[in-house]
Amino acid sequence: DQQVKQNSPSLSVQEGRISILNCDYTNSMFDYFLWYKKYPAEGPTFLISISSIKDKNEDGRFTVFLNKSAKHLSLHIVPSQPGDSAVYFCAASSFNGNQFYFGTGTSLTVIP
Amino acid sequence: DGGITQSPKYLFRKEGQNVTLSCEQNLNHDAMYWYRQDPGQGLRLIYYSQIVNDFQKGDIAEGYSVSREKKESFPLTVTSAQKNPTAFYLCASRSGSVSSYNEQFFGPGTRLTVL
Repeated sequence: DQQVKQNSPSLSVQEGRISILNCDYTNSMFDYFLWYKKYPAEGPTFLISISSIKDKNEDGRFTVFLNKSAKHLSLHIVPSQPGDSAVYFCAASSFNGNQFYFGTGTSLTVIP
Repeated sequence: DGGITQSPKYLFRKEGQNVTLSCEQNLNHDAMYWYRQDPGQGLRLIYYSQIVNDFQKGDIAEGYSVSREKKESFPLTVTSAQKNPTAFYLCASRSGSVSSYNEQFFGPGTRLTVL
């Protein structure tokens, strides 16, 4: 059973606009959430994370929002750039957990 | 340069053969992980290890084996018992104790194709 879900397999956005990628989770024990970016035939690279004591974390153009009551997080990229075109995975873990659980990914295309 | 290396980048094997994928890290991380990625799917955990000489099965361990004799190395063997071994394999490592908020760092991956 998929504990972390990304229901949008793909997203297209014009350059300069906002990209919003969504992620839902089912396990209420998760308290640490991460976003990774992945290019084809490469390993994922870490983008940004958030712990459950916060509801927002910013790093440059990237902001992650966490809604614990809805078990939902989102990644906002503003402004979007063509180099942001990649697959984005969200992942979740618990403080004492050994594993990270990954979503199925959203393929973002930023159109110049 | 600190990082995780996986070799080879591309690997071909004949059906029925065992093959070992290499993963080395010089980040001094305690924990190491193996995932596989299939088209349209997320990363699924095969095995992980928190310390040397100890490892745990992940969600899809059947047909795979690992060893952790050194902190830096966590090789994965894909055995002939793995029914669908063609996939992209990713190794990752993570610092700190189990009870900590630290991200995983990934290697570049190995594409295994069974002919």
